[in-house]
Amino acid sequence: TQLLEQSPQFLSIQEGENLTVYCNSSSVFSSLQWYRQEPGEGPVLLVTVVTGGEVKKLKRLTFQFGDARKDSSLHITAAQPGDTGLYLCAGESLPRDMRFGAGTRLTVKP
Amino acid sequence: EAGVAQSPRYKIIEKRQSVAFWCNPISGHATLYWYQQILGQGPKLLIQFQNNGVVDDSQLPKDRFSAERLKGVDSTLKIQPAKLEDSAVYLCASSFLRLAGGGHEQFFGPGTRLTVL
Repeated sequence: TQLLEQSPQFLSIQEGENLTVYCNSSSVFSSLQWYRQEPGEGPVLLVTVVTGGEVKKLKRLTFQFGDARKDSSLHITAAQPGDTGLYLCAGESLPRDMRFGAGTRLTVKP
Repeated sequence: EAGVAQSPRYKIIEKRQSVAFWCNPISGHATLYWYQQILGQGPKLLIQFQNNGVVDDSQLPKDRFSAERLKGVDSTLKIQPAKLEDSAVYLCASSFLRLAGGGHEQFFGPGTRLTVL
């Protein structure tokens, strides 16, 4: 059973479109991270959110942490082929360490 | 700065054989993690070390998996004997310090892809 549920599982869009992926849980997290993983490589950290309601922007990517710190979303504006990859959320729920969701596999077609 | 190094990159073995993976974390990183990533799933934490001590091994199948981190630097993960369901990518990650509640960046290696036939 996944502690973190990510949706959608797969997403295929055209270059220039906008998209949002979600990370949901019934647990409260002290912090939540988003990673991107490309084939044959390990995940790379995109952002860490700590405060409920927090919004962080990274160029065309906008991350939001839910007010109750149980869920998060990642919105990408004007997606590009270089955004293609597996997007993973990971939540820290003390005293345990990070637990990952199953990921959203994004494909952006030129 | 050199990243997390792992070897081998690929390994194919038959069931019931033994296999070992090696990880060299980023210099100065006290915390080291081993994850198992089965195709189509997210990484699952197997074991976490703080220096050379085990912090969390609650999800490590201890009847067949073992890990050690001698001298608080390099680490090895062993599977003995391997089963078909052990086929996965084994990721090693390291972080500078585990800051409780504040999040911490984990730097991942490229992983070792294990196929058990």
